[in-house]
Amino acid sequence: GDSVTQMEGPVTLSEEAFLTINCTYTATGYPSLFWYVQYPGEGLQLLLKATKADDKGSNKGFEATYRKETTSFHLEKGSVQVSDSAVYFCALSERSRAGGTSYGKLTFGQGTILTVHP
Amino acid sequence: DTGVSQNPRHKITKRGQNVTFRCDPISEHNRLYWYRQTLGQGPEFLTYFQNEAQLEKSRLLSDRFSAERPKGSFSTLEIQRTEQGDSAMYLCASSSYRVSTEAFFGQGTRLTVV
Repeated sequence: GDSVTQMEGPVTLSEEAFLTINCTYTATGYPSLFWYVQYPGEGLQLLLKATKADDKGSNKGFEATYRKETTSFHLEKGSVQVSDSAVYFCALSERSRAGGTSYGKLTFGQGTILTVHP
Repeated sequence: DTGVSQNPRHKITKRGQNVTFRCDPISEHNRLYWYRQTLGQGPEFLTYFQNEAQLEKSRLLSDRFSAERPKGSFSTLEIQRTEQGDSAMYLCASSSYRVSTEAFFGQGTRLTVV
């Protein structure tokens, strides 16, 4: 079945440091890929997404590129802020065929806790 | 619209009791999902509705669990004869058929079974 593996955490960085959180996936079809973020005391929020190979998702300075050849979707940010401290989840949603729609069921990784210090 | 709403936010119950959670999705969303999240883990899929039809159930959803969405709007998740292993955060999400790749999540109901 489908699965998502995230790098072991937690991650602790100083403000303005470069961030990478690794994510790899296993899927049989044509998944869409997502990063969700969960700030303290809040619900999961979609951070960015990519629906096909070589797509780059970006939002709030975060980026991730859909790499089919390495089955990866690593999250990066050039300069983190204290306000980026949160739990980050990589996820996928299967589609029946390339370009097809998905009914939205998500398979999540285990999450990576990011703490950014001033 | 205020987003996906879940009630209650917290529930403490004694082992063996029944509990029911409610989810109100975003009003124009016809798809609704339930997930369970335990400490240190990502959410795990439980079940999915399209309108009032329950189209998929995970094997995680034992016979003690039942979910309904009677009029295709709000949904309830009931757990009968709760066990300590049921302690978790129960998350609801909704999405639109037209924008099926983006699911919006509620803040969850945290269940503690003592």
